[in-house]
Amino acid sequence: ELKVEQNPLFLSMQEGKNYTIYCNYSTTSDRLYWYRQDPGKSLESLFVLLSNGAVKQEGRLMASLDTKARLSTLHITAAVHDLSATYFCAVVPSNFGNEKLTFGTGTRLTIIP
Amino acid sequence: DAGVTQSPTHLIKTRGQHVTLRCSPISGHKSVSWYQQVLGQGPQFIFQYYEKEERGRGNFPDRFSARQFPNYSSELNVNALLLGDSALYLCASSPIPIAISSYEQYFGPGTRLTVT
Repeated sequence: ELKVEQNPLFLSMQEGKNYTIYCNYSTTSDRLYWYRQDPGKSLESLFVLLSNGAVKQEGRLMASLDTKARLSTLHITAAVHDLSATYFCAVVPSNFGNEKLTFGTGTRLTIIP
Repeated sequence: DAGVTQSPTHLIKTRGQHVTLRCSPISGHKSVSWYQQVLGQGPQFIFQYYEKEERGRGNFPDRFSARQFPNYSSELNVNALLLGDSALYLCASSPIPIAISSYEQYFGPGTRLTVT
């Protein structure tokens, strides 16, 4: 069964600092998604990574995918308070016909002024 | 354009009762998926429907069922509610299933179900 693990689970960082969230998964996949969730709200799509070596950037967030290592990273540059939220990665296995999107445990990010 | 809509927003039910949750996908989207998110955890996949057929099912008991209508809207039904069914139920839509495309899913605001 596919397992998706994120670390850290909780992250408290100061404004202006850089940090990275890691997402490891246990089976072959070439599709990885990053979502943001604010408290009590739904999920907002951040990035869709569809191939080995894919890198996408939006503002202070940059995501990358290494399918050989089964690892994705979400890098935060010069954090600002507005980035405080819970971040999830999610993976679809490569075996065709399996539509199950499996989410990681989530990383709760708190940016301290 | 309207996003994914879900109804109701909040719902309180008693153990043993039945509940029906509704989802309307973005116009033109034919694939709908349902997820359960218990407080403090990541969403768990329940079902996916595409062109009115079930394309995937997660590890949920038979008390959970769903269907998709000709207009691509969807219903999630849960019978014999348990306290553990209390959660945020999320619906997501995409033009075609994401597992066979480069599309992404768009999530609705969710229905918060409380079972007492």
